[in-house]
Amino acid sequence: NAGVTQTPKFQVLKTGQSMTLQCAQDMNHEYMSWYRQDPGMGLRLIHYSVGAGITDQGEVPNGYNVSRSTTEDFPLRLLSAAPSQTSVYFCASRRVGDTQYFGPGTRLTVL
Amino acid sequence: SQQGEEDPQALSIQEGENATMNCSYKTSINNLQWYRQNSGRGLVHLILIRSNEREKHSGRLRVTLDTSKKSSSLLITASRAADTASYFCAIPSGGYQKVTFGIGTKLQVIP
Repeated sequence: NAGVTQTPKFQVLKTGQSMTLQCAQDMNHEYMSWYRQDPGMGLRLIHYSVGAGITDQGEVPNGYNVSRSTTEDFPLRLLSAAPSQTSVYFCASRRVGDTQYFGPGTRLTVL
Repeated sequence: SQQGEEDPQALSIQEGENATMNCSYKTSINNLQWYRQNSGRGLVHLILIRSNEREKHSGRLRVTLDTSKKSSSLLITASRAADTASYFCAIPSGGYQKVTFGIGTKLQVIP
């Protein structure tokens, strides 16, 4: 199993640009989540999904969209990038009531 | 707002000493998880303890859970320089559908 994969690993955007961060898992996990981590901080939940076709907002959803058309994929879209969205983004997946597995992260810089 | 709060926020000890970190939370849980993050890296799962468990061991790690006090502790015995990292507790919430993190405890083990 590849586990949780994220692409790209690094990205630089200009203010106002849009992009999609990709996340995929091959463990048939129902739950998937996106987090952001700012320097010296913990992880803050952006959006999460409990299954294909079902998504919900986390703690900091503004400026981000998600969709879950398949069990495997959970892309995160930045609609109009802002410098405040400079962060490291982690995707995670898990089964109900079980351990979360994290991807390696995407380091995003918005100029 | 984040559900878990770690204490202390920073801890510096000598190699060979024990390190204890605490996590307090606000709502009822079905499990609690501890993770480690080395600087600039992703999160590594350490231990999941379920609400009907009081203590769990994994190598040099010992986790306790007191649901009446809504708190958990992570003990690392005989610490090594390689244990230097940030440690986070993760709390299920929102009907256990989402998992949120505290800001973490930054542990420094001095050789």
